[in-house]
Amino acid sequence: QTVVTQEPSFSVSPGGTVTLTCGFTSGSVSTTHYPSWYQQTPGQAPRTLIYNTNTRSSGVPDRFSGSILGNKAALTITGAQADDESDYYCVLYMGSGIKVFGGGTKLTVL
Amino acid sequence: EVQLLESGGGLVQPGGSLRLSCAASRFTFASHAMSWVRQAPGKGLEWVSTLSPGGGSTYYADSVKGRFSISRDNSKNTLFLQMNSLRAEDTATYFCAKQTTEFSSSSIDSWGQGTLVTVSS
Repeated sequence: QTVVTQEPSFSVSPGGTVTLTCGFTSGSVSTTHYPSWYQQTPGQAPRTLIYNTNTRSSGVPDRFSGSILGNKAALTITGAQADDESDYYCVLYMGSGIKVFGGGTKLTVL
Repeated sequence: EVQLLESGGGLVQPGGSLRLSCAASRFTFASHAMSWVRQAPGKGLEWVSTLSPGGGSTYYADSVKGRFSISRDNSKNTLFLQMNSLRAEDTATYFCAKQTTEFSSSSIDSWGQGTLVTVSS
């Protein structure tokens, strides 16, 4: 069974830059996995940030960007703000209609 | 702006059934693959199922295969999830989600607010 991996937690200073990653246990992430990134605060529905590796969803500020870094998908937040403190989830398409979410990264801004 | 409104959640006993609905609006529903994603209390997101635009292709997570059934009524812009043989571990908030294209591989780009399903005696 494929496991999608994310850092459980990360910390960034206000104004700083942070890169969260998304990999999987049995291979390298590529654009054919259509990596996407979602932001979620407690009690709220997820908000789409990035889809298809690097396409920013409508209304998402350009300080959020997606890419492939090495063998993982990456979400970079430039100029972190206090309200970026959230849980971040990635999802990968694994073929045959199957999607697998990562366990999420809890981002702290302090 | 895309709107997805789930309904049908509630308390059900183990072994019971429940049918979730998702009313979609402000986009061409019949042109998009649709999915259900769930989140157990205090846990992460879990993909549950995806359905092609015409309803002919269905995909399920192993955890629900054989118990859950996804369907849609394009004339009413509504997505469904029939959940049978429910277990305690199915307790979660269930989100309806729109994908970017007609392909099952496409990304999720819009989410509903979710409906809570609690399986307990």
